[in-house]
Amino acid sequence: NAGVTQTPKFQVLKTGQSMTLQCAQDMNHNSMYWYRQDPGMGLRLIYYSASEGTTDKGEVPNGYNVSRLNKREFSLRLESAAPSQTSVYFCASSEWNPDHEQFFGPGTRLTVL
Amino acid sequence: DAKTTQPTSMDCAEGRAANLPCNHSTISGNEYVYWYRQIHSQGPQYIIHGLKNNETNEMASLIITEDRKSSTLILPHATLRDTAVYYCIVRSHTGANSKLTFGKGITLSVRP
Repeated sequence: NAGVTQTPKFQVLKTGQSMTLQCAQDMNHNSMYWYRQDPGMGLRLIYYSASEGTTDKGEVPNGYNVSRLNKREFSLRLESAAPSQTSVYFCASSEWNPDHEQFFGPGTRLTVL
Repeated sequence: DAKTTQPTSMDCAEGRAANLPCNHSTISGNEYVYWYRQIHSQGPQYIIHGLKNNETNEMASLIITEDRKSSTLILPHATLRDTAVYYCIVRSHTGANSKLTFGKGITLSVRP
């Protein structure tokens, strides 16, 4: 099992450009999450999907959109990137039962110039 | 409002036990204590969680005080690979507080 995979690993954008971060999991989990982590800070939840076909806002959703494409895949889109979105983005998955741990991907390091 | 407070950093010698403290004085009766860690540049990794009883697994032990206002994560024989940021998180299993909320964590440095 690959667990949670994310692409790309690194990305540099110019202000105003758009891009989609991809996430896939092979553990048959119902729930998936997107977090961002700024330097020296903990992770903050952007969006989550409790199950296929549903998405909800987290703590910092502004400037982002998400798509739960199927049970395996959950993408994060930046429509018009801003320097404030320079961060490391982590995707995670779990069973919906909160008693189950979240498994995290390796992260995407995004720089917006 | 932060639900947990942790020291900024600590260190310990390789092979010794690492005891990582966490205060959560406002914890509610239905909230669990979770620990995750993040090794440099990687995604966080689940360690352990508990409600009120002490818990042990292959990675660590979790000791929760009787009043549940604080807890200690114990790594019994720390190795250099345990150098990481450790996050203590309080969360319920239902409702709006069921999300994982990461603070700044405590940086553990294991020295040879």
